Amino acid sequence: GAVVSQHPSRVICKSGTSVKIECRSLDFQATTMFWYRQFPKQSLMLMATSNEGSKATYEQGVEKDKFLINHASLTLSTLTVTSAHPEDSSFYICSAATSNEQYFGPGTRLTVT
Amino acid sequence: QKEVEQNSGPLSVPEGAIASLNCTYSDRVSQSFFWYRQYSGKSPELIMSIYSNGDKEDGRFTAQLNKASQYVSLLIRDSQPSDSATYLCAVGGNTGGFKTIFGAGTRLFVKA
Repeated sequence: GAVVSQHPSRVICKSGTSVKIECRSLDFQATTMFWYRQFPKQSLMLMATSNEGSKATYEQGVEKDKFLINHASLTLSTLTVTSAHPEDSSFYICSAATSNEQYFGPGTRLTVT
Repeated sequence: QKEVEQNSGPLSVPEGAIASLNCTYSDRVSQSFFWYRQYSGKSPELIMSIYSNGDKEDGRFTAQLNKASQYVSLLIRDSQPSDSATYLCAVGGNTGGFKTIFGAGTRLFVKA
């Protein structure tokens, strides 16, 4: 299957700082990229959908000024968690979609202390 | 708003048995259906996709889709302990860049 990478895989930051997570589709160009968040023992929750060159579409309840998404190219999207707080600690997963299927990155474990 | 529902489990089956995972969805216009496997602490991995009514087989996995009943299932034959994971059902639209809606997942435990 298609390969999607995420970096970093794990990050610990202090409250109030910002963290950037990169998502890359390595062997295909993604029409759309998605960002999800998953808390322990819960399902994936879609945060936002982004298309290259346009503004991301955020799901209800997700603050666009807190979770900044930049979709610079058909193979790269970044999520920046600004002014992180302990409640932002979660597993952040990106996915990249072709016209038919969606492939997930390995996820980034964010811990805010 | 689309909804995708799964029994949370855990579903426990003995090694070698058939595991049957079920999923229902509410949006009749859904066109694409997926099963993902997620091990604890890991990202979901696509194991099956199905787009038309009927069965689709891939190795030990068979996906079954019934659009009239808005029902999709996954059968795992000859279950192995390594199949123990959470299985996520996902439903998408019919255009490029669709938004996939995920069920909460069913935890499967295969006993050796």
